[in-house]
Amino acid sequence: GNSVTQMEGPVTLSEEAFLTINCTYTATGYPSLFWYVQYPGEGLQLLLKATKADDKGSNKGFEATYRKETTSFHLEKGSVQVSDSAVYFCALTLARGGGKLIFGQGTELSVKP
Amino acid sequence: DAGVIQSPRHEVTEMGQEVTLRCKPISGHDYLFWYRQTMMRGLELLIYFNNNVPIDDSGMPEDRFSAKMPNASFSTLKIQPSEPRDSAVYFCASSPPLETQYFGPGTRLLVL
Repeated sequence: GNSVTQMEGPVTLSEEAFLTINCTYTATGYPSLFWYVQYPGEGLQLLLKATKADDKGSNKGFEATYRKETTSFHLEKGSVQVSDSAVYFCALTLARGGGKLIFGQGTELSVKP
Repeated sequence: DAGVIQSPRHEVTEMGQEVTLRCKPISGHDYLFWYRQTMMRGLELLIYFNNNVPIDDSGMPEDRFSAKMPNASFSTLKIQPSEPRDSAVYFCASSPPLETQYFGPGTRLLVL
């Protein structure tokens, strides 16, 4: 079946550290891939996305590259801030036009000053 | 744009009571989704609609749950009767005819 696997959290980093959150997927077709972020007490917000192989999504200093050969979409940021503390969800969808999103389990990031 | 609007933001009720959660999607979005988030099970898709028609309700846990979308600007998720294990955060999301879904702030439900 179709699924998303993320590295387990919580991940604790010091401010200005480099961040990687691993995400791999299993899909029967050609998915679009997403990273969503959830700040405490809020809903999910789209962080970035990529719709085809080798695409790089980027936003707010975060980047992720769609790697078809390794079925991965790892999230990276060169220098994290305390304000980046949140839960990050990797997700895929196979259906155009607003199809079902399949989420990973989420990775909690805590950034200390 | 106001984004996806959900009400109430918090709901505390007693077991056996009916609970109705409401959602107003972003204008022009053809798709509407209901999700449930718990610590144990993470994010689960309950049901989604396209142009007000339910497309996939396979995630609805049981007959106590029902969802409607009477028009393009309003949807409800009803639980009757509610049980303590229904306690969760319920999210509504809407989507234009591309893949990106926009989430509401959620309704935090506690069933005592």
